[in-house]
Amino acid sequence: DGGITQSPKYLFRKEGQNVTLSCEQNLNHDAMYWYRQDPGQGLRLIYYSQIVNDFQKGDIAEGYSVSREKKESFPLTVTSAQKNPTAFYLCASSFSSGRITDTQYFGPGTRLTVL
Amino acid sequence: DQQVKQNSPSLSVQEGRISILNCDYTNSMFDYFLWYKKYPAEGPTFLISISSIKDKNEDGRFTVFLNKSAKHLSLHIVPSQPGDSAVYFCAASWLGGGADGLTFGKGTHLIIQP
Repeated sequence: DGGITQSPKYLFRKEGQNVTLSCEQNLNHDAMYWYRQDPGQGLRLIYYSQIVNDFQKGDIAEGYSVSREKKESFPLTVTSAQKNPTAFYLCASSFSSGRITDTQYFGPGTRLTVL
Repeated sequence: DQQVKQNSPSLSVQEGRISILNCDYTNSMFDYFLWYKKYPAEGPTFLISISSIKDKNEDGRFTVFLNKSAKHLSLHIVPSQPGDSAVYFCAASWLGGGADGLTFGKGTHLIIQP
């Protein structure tokens, strides 16, 4: 079964700690994305990556970092510099070559709570 | 400044009737529009999309209409079913943006009443 997986589903972190959220896809998609959703808000883009070893900041990248060492994986690290890290984090992927489609397919999400 | 706006935070529709969800955008560069459906604590699922070269796209019970001059699109669900109760997000992208992220509206919570 092809799809996007995110782990863990729920994550708790103490203030001042870094935490890494996992995102894996086996859809053979080139592009991957991280979004954040807050209550009553739309999804806001944190980082995106069009190809391996390349990534770009989105609208709200401050306090976050990413890596793209493999096509299938795009982990997101929430650092202690992120002032309001408690949120629902969503990973997505899409084909990107020649804009075959811009449709992004989402993982199930990780809810991060900072205690 | 919000480039994609969904001005109705919630909408209540009786089962079997038509649900119409609206979305407005301000960036005239947007050329591809999508609708996603989202249940609580889950990732959004893709519903339907439309390119700016079209004004209508239909897929089963779902139809999306695009009015470029008004910078407005709408999602019609006919007939509405209980399982349609969810939050619906409108999203947009543009060619110059390449494969970067979509711009999302804040969502409309659709409630289907029996």
